[in-house]
Amino acid sequence: DVKVTQSSRYLVKRTGEKVFLECVQDMDHENMFWYRQDPGLGLRLIYFSYDVKMKEKGDIPEGYSVSREKKERFSLILESASTNQTSMYLCASSSSARDTGELFFGEGSRLTVL
Amino acid sequence: GQNIDQPTEMTATEGAIVQINCTYQTSGFNGLFWYQQHAGEAPTFLSYNVLDGLEEKGRFSSFLSRSKGYSYLLLKELQMKDSASYLCAVTDSNYQLIWGAGTKLIIKP
Repeated sequence: DVKVTQSSRYLVKRTGEKVFLECVQDMDHENMFWYRQDPGLGLRLIYFSYDVKMKEKGDIPEGYSVSREKKERFSLILESASTNQTSMYLCASSSSARDTGELFFGEGSRLTVL
Repeated sequence: GQNIDQPTEMTATEGAIVQINCTYQTSGFNGLFWYQQHAGEAPTFLSYNVLDGLEEKGRFSSFLSRSKGYSYLLLKELQMKDSASYLCAVTDSNYQLIWGAGTKLIIKP
């Protein structure tokens, strides 16, 4: 079974803490994405990467950074967590083919910032 | 701006048929996706439409009209396990995905 694995399902952090969210995929996909999902809103793209060591800002990159040192791993970093970053974070991957662009998602990491 | 609209919530009865609509206004169009997301789980791919018409896949069908900026997902012979959120997403001219907020479907016995 193909899989996208996120390191933590639930996290509780304090304001100002540094937070690492890890994502690993085993499908040899070139493309990886970080989204956040909030009630009443569509998925919002934070950052994405089309290749190792490459990153592009999505729609809401402020307050976040990413790292892609290896093809299978894409990390999301909150340098100084704030309460408005309380959310569900979803990692996804896809192959480079543009014809369907089907995304494979991880189970999500629910972050609460107090 | 770019926009995807779908109903927030729908209720249907087990064994019945339900149609979930999605309308979109985007800069360009390169395909429309439907994903299913059970509570607390990852979204999973259901269908992809890039040409006008109906795509059927078992109990689920997806329809697209590019001229109307409109799609629907049709679920037949509803089962309790179909209770989930259904997400509509459109790929724009830059191949970026624009997501709707999702439709929560509640199935009653």
